[in-house]
Amino acid sequence: ELKVEQNPLFLSMQEGKNYTIYCNYSTTSDRLYWYRQDPGKSLESLFVLLSNGAVKQEGRLMASLDTKARLSTLHITAAVHDLSATYFCAVRTQGGSDKLVFGKGTKLTVNP
Amino acid sequence: EPEVTQTPSHQVTQMGQEVILRCVPISNHLYFYWYRQILGQKVEFLVSFYNNEISEKSEIFDDQFSVERPDGSNFTLKIRSTKLEDSAMYFCASRWTVLFSNYGYTFGSGTRLTVV
Repeated sequence: ELKVEQNPLFLSMQEGKNYTIYCNYSTTSDRLYWYRQDPGKSLESLFVLLSNGAVKQEGRLMASLDTKARLSTLHITAAVHDLSATYFCAVRTQGGSDKLVFGKGTKLTVNP
Repeated sequence: EPEVTQTPSHQVTQMGQEVILRCVPISNHLYFYWYRQILGQKVEFLVSFYNNEISEKSEIFDDQFSVERPDGSNFTLKIRSTKLEDSAMYFCASRWTVLFSNYGYTFGSGTRLTVV
């Protein structure tokens, strides 16, 4: 059974600082997703990572994937308050219905 | 950009009552999913639906739950006799079948179900 672990679960950081969120998963998968969720809102797709070594960047966020280590990272550069949200990684199960298995999420708070 | 539409956005119901949550997936998508998120917790898979039948369901999706696609556009989740622990945000998602390099899952805005 696929398990997805994120850490840290809570992250409080100062504006301008850098930090990394980690996502480990237990079985082989070919697609990893990062989502952002604001309180009471839906899941906003940030990145889809498809292959080993994939790196994608959008603004102050950069995601990478190491399929051999079964590890993805979401790196935040020079954080700003607008990045405050909960970030989820989700891994696609292979075969069957291709459902997503989510991590517990990282609640990020960026303080002025 | 195409959206997955969910209604209602918020529903309050008495324990033991039946509720139907509605979703209109993106028109050319073929795979449909329901997920739920209990407040402050992670997003959990409930059920997937393809070709007018359930393709996979989780342990959460017991006999109280059912899904159907009655008219080729709407995709519904029914909870027959709601319990307090069914209170959660329910998300519908859909995806296309073709494995384009960037295919993803589109999530709806969610229905917040409160059972009192």
